[in-house]
Amino acid sequence: GAGVSQSPRYKVAKRGQDVALRCDPISGHVSLFWYQQALGQGPEFLTYFQNEAQLDKSGLPSDRFFAERPEGSVSTLKIQRTQQEDSAVYLCASRPPGNEQFFGPGTRLTVL
Amino acid sequence: AQSVAQPEDQVNVAEGNPLTVKCTYSVSGNPYLFWYVQYPNRGLQFLLKYITGDNLVKGSYGFEAEFNKSQTSFHLKKPSALVSDSALYFCAVRDGNSGYALNFGKGTSLLVTP
Repeated sequence: GAGVSQSPRYKVAKRGQDVALRCDPISGHVSLFWYQQALGQGPEFLTYFQNEAQLDKSGLPSDRFFAERPEGSVSTLKIQRTQQEDSAVYLCASRPPGNEQFFGPGTRLTVL
Repeated sequence: AQSVAQPEDQVNVAEGNPLTVKCTYSVSGNPYLFWYVQYPNRGLQFLLKYITGDNLVKGSYGFEAEFNKSQTSFHLKKPSALVSDSALYFCAVRDGNSGYALNFGKGTSLLVTP
């Protein structure tokens, strides 16, 4: 079956632009996670959804970051007024009622 | 609080030799431990996990890992390395009692030479 998909795969933004990153989880997966992976680092947790409810957004680095999952399936991570420090790979993962998370290929964001 | 340490930035091994990628963890509750592999321009692929039970866990592509509670370690191993195993490996932990998000190490680059 299809895995987690993310779009776009690559995004270049000028500083100050708003961007929206999309995640399509595996069908039926209740849990959805967003992570940020800086160059040379491991992924770091941003936010967690259970169905449409955002249960934890403690990892979002600033109020410029916003995530939603209005119908409990597709999720969007939005970054307003992008800054150079936002440049990273943004990974989405979904999880069935088990324990391992399944990751998408990521969106590489470059802010110029 | 939970954390993972991967003390080696890079591990080099000759094809056919055994490999070990080290991981130690810290967690206040029950440790749920995971290994993921990342190939260039691709997402993380799940290799194996330890939740409970046998301390030796077998996973995908011939990899295995040993949970050692006293040493708080979860080292990844493979008896005979392949060139195609060259990739970035991440260890991750979550608190089985209360957590859901994974806490990752910084990764170890494995290079297997012919």
